[in-house]
Amino acid sequence: GENVEQHPSTLSVQEGDSAVIKCTYSDSASNYFPWYKQELGKGPQLIIDIRSNVGEKKDQRIAVTLNKTAKHFSLHITETQPEDSAVYFCAASLTGTASKLTFGTGTRLQVTL
Amino acid sequence: GAVVSQHPSWVICKSGTSVKIECRSLDFQATTMFWYRQFPKQSLMLMATSNEGSKATYEQGVEKDKFLINHASLTLSTLTVTSAHPEDSSFYICSASGVRGIQYFGAGTRLSVL
Repeated sequence: GENVEQHPSTLSVQEGDSAVIKCTYSDSASNYFPWYKQELGKGPQLIIDIRSNVGEKKDQRIAVTLNKTAKHFSLHITETQPEDSAVYFCAASLTGTASKLTFGTGTRLQVTL
Repeated sequence: GAVVSQHPSWVICKSGTSVKIECRSLDFQATTMFWYRQFPKQSLMLMATSNEGSKATYEQGVEKDKFLINHASLTLSTLTVTSAHPEDSSFYICSASGVRGIQYFGAGTRLSVL
């Protein structure tokens, strides 16, 4: 089955700096890669996703890059703000309504003033 | 984005009782719903996948008689924790997926069994 590794497990950046979180996956058939942000005591919130026919996707301060050959994808957050502090999870799956997501282990991002 | 509502957000119950958690997709039809369990500072662990009108598919190691899942309509799925015990205390989260295959998550339910 699919296995997703995520690094780092914790990340502390100063406000205004950039943050990068990296994930690798094992199943070359995976073609959908979402990123979720989870605040304390809440459910995960989808912040950006990318499909395998695209190498990069950007939404304001957030971008995701995908390298299918190397089987890794990354989340980039620029101009970080204190409200970006949360746990971020990457995931991988096949497209389809019943497809299961395989999650990474999460990255706790702390944005300090 | 799509909205998934989960209730209750927090429940405390006595050992041996059953607890029902509801998950509703408010603005889209969810052909598939998923139930997860999350321990503190850990990732999400998939418990089961349910499709509307059919029996849920449980992950290995998840007791189907203990965690009853019903997906009676395209907008509602329920998880019932039967005969709950303290070891069932956890954060339970549902997600719903429509035609685009994107999972949207509920806010989670914190279950405390005394």
